[in-house]
Amino acid sequence: RKEVEQDPGPFNVPEGATVAFNCTYSNSASQSFFWYRQDCRKEPKLLMSVYSSGNEDGRFTAQLNRASQYISLLIRDSKLSDSATYLCVVNGEGSGNTGKLIFGQGTTLQVKP
Amino acid sequence: NAGVTQTPKFQVLKTGQSMTLQCAQDMNHNSMYWYRQDPGMGLRLIYYSASEGTTDKGEVPNGYNVSRLNKREFSLRLESAAPSQTSVYFCASSVWDTYQPQHFGDGTRLSIL
Repeated sequence: RKEVEQDPGPFNVPEGATVAFNCTYSNSASQSFFWYRQDCRKEPKLLMSVYSSGNEDGRFTAQLNRASQYISLLIRDSKLSDSATYLCVVNGEGSGNTGKLIFGQGTTLQVKP
Repeated sequence: NAGVTQTPKFQVLKTGQSMTLQCAQDMNHNSMYWYRQDPGMGLRLIYYSASEGTTDKGEVPNGYNVSRLNKREFSLRLESAAPSQTSVYFCASSVWDTYQPQHFGDGTRLSIL
């Protein structure tokens, strides 16, 4: 089983739609979670951290379910500029301070006019 | 704000040639990382340096060496390039802490013929 798994998609949605991505992780002791965005042939950029209580940043909402070991990202009112690959990221070791992160392969979103 | 700077941005090598990819960060981060990204494989960690003076192998270290020159700079060397090392290489930096995200350079696109 991969440490971080995502549905690669692509998800094709019309402008204005709401779309959700899920990601599962295998290490129950993981403590930090992020969503990154990667545009075609560009570097990954941090979209948002994911907190235990869930968090929102404008049109983006992230949720964490520790019991089921999954993370979700909800995008409301999709824009053409949201078209990108979204990477689910989890810290790599279960205990102690560690900066190592494990990246999922990404979910591709294409927003159509 | 330069952030993480990688050089060169593009390079074509012949099999057996050597080269060094350079990375520098100006965010006073103590940790630095080298990844490669291949289609369908996601980001894979090659080597990392948790702090100045230390380096450790990641998931795919074979065929590579690294040098943490100082706190700012972390270089990746291919001693004898092989076609299998054709990839996009990303350098990243962070604070070495469980809850901190990584910040990426804009990548080096390397082709080995």
